[in-house]
Amino acid sequence: EAGVAQSPRYKIIEKRQSVAFWCNPISGHATLYWYQQILGQGPKLLIQFQNNGVVDDSQLPKDRFSAERLKGVDSTLKIQPAKLEDSAVYLCASSPGGNGYTFGSGTRLTVV
Amino acid sequence: AQSVTQLDSQVPVFEEAPVELRCNYSSSVSVYLFWYVQYPNQGLQLLLKYLSGSTLVKGINGFEAEFNKSQTSFHLRKPSVHISDTAEYFCALYNFNKFYFGSGTKLNVKP
Repeated sequence: EAGVAQSPRYKIIEKRQSVAFWCNPISGHATLYWYQQILGQGPKLLIQFQNNGVVDDSQLPKDRFSAERLKGVDSTLKIQPAKLEDSAVYLCASSPGGNGYTFGSGTRLTVV
Repeated sequence: AQSVTQLDSQVPVFEEAPVELRCNYSSSVSVYLFWYVQYPNQGLQLLLKYLSGSTLVKGINGFEAEFNKSQTSFHLRKPSVHISDTAEYFCALYNFNKFYFGSGTKLNVKP
């Protein structure tokens, strides 16, 4: 079974620029999550999708972050404009339901 | 409210010594508890999980954890660590279809 695919692996941008991350979950997994992991902290949930609908985006800074999961398969997370404090690893995870999570390898974003 | 506290941010230990990584949780309802490991520049890998039943849970790579409801703890242990166990370890609580992670413990195994 293929895992959760994320790209790019690394990204360096200047503050105020925009950036997008992509996630392809495991086939058949209805639930998709984006987490932000700041250095020295545990992952924090940004947004949760069930198929192509948003279940929870209460921790998503909506003034600059957006996410979509068109067609209920892959997903993109965008930051516009980026701030220095957005430097983090962005993890995508998917689940078929219950507690069977699988995490991707993440995208490491550095904002300079 | 749900929360997870990992009491040690860093744990240095010599190779072949035993280790315990501590985790306490807070929840008003029954929970599922997990331990994940993260190697440098990699994603999170599941070590073990407690869902119900026996309070002693065995995981991969020789790790085990014990669920203690009265102490609200889920400490991770390994009787003899290896250099390759050097990584960051996250305790997590799963409830209402989402994870709540602790801040992580960096395990540094020295030769």
